[in-house]
Amino acid sequence: QQQVRQSPQSLTVWEGETAILNCSYEDSTFDYFPWYHQFPGESPALLIAIRPVSNKKEDGRFTIFFNKREKKFSLHIADSQPGDSATYFCAARNNNNAPRFGAGTKLSVKP
Amino acid sequence: EAAVTQSPRNKVAVTGGKVTLSCNQTNNHNNMYWYRQDTGHGLRLIHYSYGAGSTEKGDIPDGYKASRPSQENFSLILELATPSQTSVYFCASGDAGGYQDTQYFGPGTRLLVL
Repeated sequence: QQQVRQSPQSLTVWEGETAILNCSYEDSTFDYFPWYHQFPGESPALLIAIRPVSNKKEDGRFTIFFNKREKKFSLHIADSQPGDSATYFCAARNNNNAPRFGAGTKLSVKP
Repeated sequence: EAAVTQSPRNKVAVTGGKVTLSCNQTNNHNNMYWYRQDTGHGLRLIHYSYGAGSTEKGDIPDGYKASRPSQENFSLILELATPSQTSVYFCASGDAGGYQDTQYFGPGTRLLVL
């Protein structure tokens, strides 16, 4: 049973557009929500993360929007670049348990 | 920069054989994790550990054992390998708590069970 659900499975956007990746979760005790990216042939690496004390976290072109009531969070990639093409994983955890990952979104940015 | 290494990087095993995947971290992290990555499933948690001598079952532990003999080392053991265990296996280390709670992943082990 997937504790963290992610959509879409794949996404294609044009260069300069905003890519939106979505995740939802069930466990209300989760209190840390990171996004990782993975380039072909490489291992996942942390991109950006949020804790529910805030509903938005920005880091350059990358923004997490968090909705605690609906148990949803999303990653917005503004001004998408071909170099952003990768697989993106959302995850969730609490201090008492190991992180659980979504199934991933394969993002392709066309020039 | 956190350092997590895995060995072997590639492995071909026969059905019914024993396979041991090793992971080493030099960051003094308490927590270590084993995931497998398959298309359409993302990263699925197999076993994890909070420190030397401890192991916990993740979401898909069947057919796998884990061993944490020291802070630095965490092994994943397939006693009787099956073709369904063909996958890419990632080890990670990290610590919970604090605002930054990053997992650092190793380079992965590609396992093929024939």
